[in-house]
Amino acid sequence: NAGVTQTPKFQVLKTGQSMTLQCAQDMNHNSMYWYRQDPGMGLRLIYYSASEGTTDKGEVPNGYNVSRLNKREFSLRLESAAPSQTSVYFCASSHKADPVVGANVLTFGAGSRLTVL
Amino acid sequence: AQSVTQLDSQVPVFEEAPVELRCNYSSSVSVYLFWYVQYPNQGLQLLLKYLSGSTLVESINGFEAEFNKSQTSFHLRKPSVHISDTAEYFCAVSDRGGSTLGRLYFGRGTQLTVWP
Repeated sequence: NAGVTQTPKFQVLKTGQSMTLQCAQDMNHNSMYWYRQDPGMGLRLIYYSASEGTTDKGEVPNGYNVSRLNKREFSLRLESAAPSQTSVYFCASSHKADPVVGANVLTFGAGSRLTVL
Repeated sequence: AQSVTQLDSQVPVFEEAPVELRCNYSSSVSVYLFWYVQYPNQGLQLLLKYLSGSTLVESINGFEAEFNKSQTSFHLRKPSVHISDTAEYFCAVSDRGGSTLGRLYFGRGTQLTVWP
């Protein structure tokens, strides 16, 4: 019953350092997403992967890279962290949207709180 | 791209009072509509969704939302709130088709605080 697991839960970086946020899901979902959440801004999509082997930019991709390692795992990398990247990051997954059967219901991880000094 | 507007950033209410959290969206195509809830220090959870059929949808914990196509709204209501309903609520919309099929667009969230 793990669902979507994110690591680490908390991280403090200095400006210019790099790090990778890890995400894994055990629900056999096709699609995976990375969002960032900032006060008063709601959730903004950074990158998503509609299916294994594909990745696409979302609303705010600058400063980030992603890797869809396999069907289960989708990582987010900050190559050179900046204070503007201080945020809470959420990974989510879903079955691929099907307009006949249903729609894209996301399952979210618990979040990773990143502070860049 | 879709646009979702949650008209109130904060809604304080007393326990057992009714509440309405407002959500409007802009879209020229048919959409799916969602409300997600985020309890403190947790990820988002699906509260309810409108896909098709009856325009009134309900959750298991007493919330309901009504899809109003003419007003492009999907307001969330509960007739009597509990302290445990204190959380942030996000409205979201997804296209039914096209190049952005399945991609969710979120509003900025409404913080509901229930006081004893």
